[in-house]
Amino acid sequence: EAEVAQSPRYKITEKSQAVAFWCDPISGHATLYWYRQILGQGPELLVQFQDESVVDDSQLPKDRFSAERLKGVDSTLKIQPAELGDSAMYLCASSHPPSEAFFGQGTRLTVV
Amino acid sequence: GQQLNQSPQSMFIQEGEDVSMNCTSSSIFNTWLWYKQDPGEGPVLLIALYKAGELTSNGRLTAQFGITRKDSFLNISASIPSDVGIYFCAGQRTSGTYKYIFGTGTRLKVLA
Repeated sequence: EAEVAQSPRYKITEKSQAVAFWCDPISGHATLYWYRQILGQGPELLVQFQDESVVDDSQLPKDRFSAERLKGVDSTLKIQPAELGDSAMYLCASSHPPSEAFFGQGTRLTVV
Repeated sequence: GQQLNQSPQSMFIQEGEDVSMNCTSSSIFNTWLWYKQDPGEGPVLLIALYKAGELTSNGRLTAQFGITRKDSFLNISASIPSDVGIYFCAGQRTSGTYKYIFGTGTRLKVLA
């Protein structure tokens, strides 16, 4: 069964350091989403790609966060510099719109 | 960011009992999705709804797309211990960016 792959599963980093997460969507899915989920809350969209183009990054803190999907397949989300408040689960999802989105297992980030 | 209202926030039930939860929005959606999330994992899709009034089942789970298109309901019949987790609704407008907006979650605990 096709899955969304994310790595790493867990990441511990010191504040002010840079950190990056990787996502490989389900093959053929043109839409890729990065969500952030704070413990006890629902996922909130950070950035959405359609192929290689960003279609929504209204909630992305652009002073420290960046995302790219250069060839319209896999994607990288970067935080530089990391802050204590960035500790959260970072989830990647993909879909072939307008159908349902499928999520990866997520990356649990802890900033110390 | 925007989140949909889910209720109840948490539930403690006895094994074998039925469970009902709902999700409401101030906006109209064209698609409703229901996910289950286990601790430390990504959300797993349970049911997708595409038409107002639609009633869809997946095993012991039944979900409904509200007539007003501003709400959705999920029922679990004859709960079992593995139903424990957090249930999230997500609404999607099939215009613009096909963005998914998530609910605040319902935490379910099943007592054996």
